[in-house]
Amino acid sequence: SAVISQKPSRDICQRGTSLTIQCQVDSQVTMMFWYRQQPGQSLTLIATANQGSEATYESGFVIDKFPISRPNLTFSTLTVSNMSPEDSSIYLCSVGGGPSYNEQFFGPGTRLTVL
Amino acid sequence: GEDVEQSLFLSVREGDSSVINCTYTDSSSTYLYWYKQEPGAGLQLLTYIFSNMDMKQDQRLTVLLNKKDKHLSLRIADTQTGDSAIYFCAESIGSGGGADGLTFGKGTHLIIQP
Repeated sequence: SAVISQKPSRDICQRGTSLTIQCQVDSQVTMMFWYRQQPGQSLTLIATANQGSEATYESGFVIDKFPISRPNLTFSTLTVSNMSPEDSSIYLCSVGGGPSYNEQFFGPGTRLTVL
Repeated sequence: GEDVEQSLFLSVREGDSSVINCTYTDSSSTYLYWYKQEPGAGLQLLTYIFSNMDMKQDQRLTVLLNKKDKHLSLRIADTQTGDSAIYFCAESIGSGGGADGLTFGKGTHLIIQP
C-alpha cells in the first residue's frame, strides 16, 4: 500500500486565518482526494485534486474556500481559507489509481481546531 | 444521489462473530469498501469487493454483497478486543474504483464485551 504523510498533524487556528495542509505520497498515483471528517461524523469528499489542472469540487464545496494544488503526481495541498469554528474537522487526503488500482488509501489526517 | 446507511453500534462478545451491515443506493457503484478506524488513528482499508462478486473472504473477514437489495455485510470471525473500532462502509461514486471519490456511511462502532 502507499505510504501517505500529512503536515501538520494538528493545528489550532484563529478565526479568519487560513491554513494550508500538505499531503505527500511515496509513489506516483493517478488520483488524490481531499475529505473532511467533522467531529463524530463520517467522511465527506471535498474535491478531487487533478494534476496540472483545477480541482474538481463536490457539491457544497468551493474553490475560494478550499483552494487545492497538485503540482505533481506525489504531492497536493489543501488550504482552508477564512476559517470559522465550523471548519473544525479532521482533513484527510487519500490516493487511488496507483499500482493497486482499485484500492484507495488514506493519510493520517490533520486535526484542525478553529477558535 | 448516493447514500450509504449503517447502524451506529454493534456489541458482541469476544470470540463470537461480528456482522456489520450496510445498505447503499447508487446502483452504478462498481466497488464497495470496508475501512477500520481505531481511536485517534487514520482509516485502514480492510477489504473491498467488486460489484459482480457475491462474496470475498480474507482470513477472518468475509464480505457478502447482495446487489439486488444493495446490501453489503462484513463478517469478522472470532472477534478479538483488537477489533474494537469504527467500521465504515463506502461506495465508489463512479465506476473507477479506487480512482473515484468515495461516499461513506456514518460508521458502526464495534464494541467487544469480555
